[in-house]
Parts: sequence; structure tokens; C-alpha cells
Amino acid sequence: QVTLRENGPALLKPTQILTLTCTFSGFSPNTRGMCVTWVRQPPGKALEWLALIDWGEGKFYNPSLMSRLTISKDSSKNQVVLRMANVDPADTGTYFCARVRTQTDYDWRGYLDSWGQGTLVTVSS
Amino acid sequence: DIQMTQSPSSLSASVGDRITITCRASQGIATYLSWYQKKPGSAPKLLIYGASTLHSGVPSRFSGRGSGTDFALTISSLQPEDFATYYCQESYGFLTFGGGTKLEIK
Repeated sequence: QVTLRENGPALLKPTQILTLTCTFSGFSPNTRGMCVTWVRQPPGKALEWLALIDWGEGKFYNPSLMSRLTISKDSSKNQVVLRMANVDPADTGTYFCARVRTQTDYDWRGYLDSWGQGTLVTVSS
Repeated sequence: DIQMTQSPSSLSASVGDRITITCRASQGIATYLSWYQKKPGSAPKLLIYGASTLHSGVPSRFSGRGSGTDFALTISSLQPEDFATYYCQESYGFLTFGGGTKLEIK
């Protein structure tokens, strides 16, 4: 059974760094075709893809946010960490991590078949 | 960047109705398209991937079709648990989501 769980601060101040941890089980992040990704949803708005790390440590980012994002993986702990620099109230929302099953064995793109429950992050002074 | 446009943005329907939600990509994406169901306070759930492949455990009343730029999600007979927001997502570019379609009870 695949499970994912997000952890992070509930409240941050503007300009601070947001650090989110996704702890997962039931799959190996080093298996070809398996990736872990982050998605967020601001209150009342649509889902937004943020970043992804693939089985070979390849890292991919939303172009509009990539200057602020860093994704990393600790396979020994079954964890993926997302850092977002210089947060703003517009970054308020629920952050989800999810497993991605890729469409091919040589490309990172695919569908998100298992999700964590999400963690709500509020940015406010 | 690929833009994904869903329509309608909201839809009122009754239990038992057949409904269709559409999703248009700003450029061709073959069949690299997934559909998700999202309820308030819950994680999104994968319904369909590859434009038309039903994810394991998803009821057969859900179906998807399309290729290139135009896609559709159909629910053949709405059940009370289907009232939610639905999102399409392309997996050809940067995993862009559509703006969502909120399905409400009439």
C-alpha cells in the first residue's frame, strides 16, 4: 500500500523559507518510472504543480516558481523535501505531495496516482 | 508553456444525470492527459490517465476521451458522491492543471 504524508509549518512570515517534508512508504523512489512531486492549492483556487524529483535525482520545476524552489530526496529515509524561498501571502495554501507514475521509462512526466492528505501553510505577518 | 482550459467552470446537475466536462490544451499533447476529482478537505484522486484509461478502483461510470488538444470527461449517471471539483492535467509539458470544474447538486 502506497502512503504519503506531508509535514511543514502551519504559519510563516513573509520572506521566510518554507520547508516541507514528504514521508512515503510502499514504493522505492529509486525505481525507474517512480517520481515524487509537489502540488499546491491556494484557498478557492485551482491546483498548481510545483516540482518533481525522479528516480535518478533529476529535478524539474514549475518555470514560474523555479527561482524559489529546491527539491531533494533522501531515499534512506523515504523522504522528499521541498524548500520555497522568500514566501509571500500569495503562497498560502494546501501543499500536497504525490507519487508520479511516468508514461515511459525515460521521461519524468506522468500521472499522480497516490497523494498525501496535504498540509495547510499560511503566510502572514 | 501549455495552457489547459476547462469548461464549464461550474455545472449544476442532478443524481442520475449524464454530464460531460471538457478540457482543451493550447497545443497538441497526444493522449498525455489525466483527470482528478477533488473534494474539500481531501486529497485529489486520480480518475483517468492516458486520456481514457480508468485508474484502478474508479467506477466505470467515469470515462475519458480525446487526443491532441480536445478532451472530455463523462460521468454516465451521477451519484451523490460525485459532486466535487474536477481537474484535467497535461503530462506533455510541465504538468499544468486546468482551472477546474465545480460540479454541484441542482
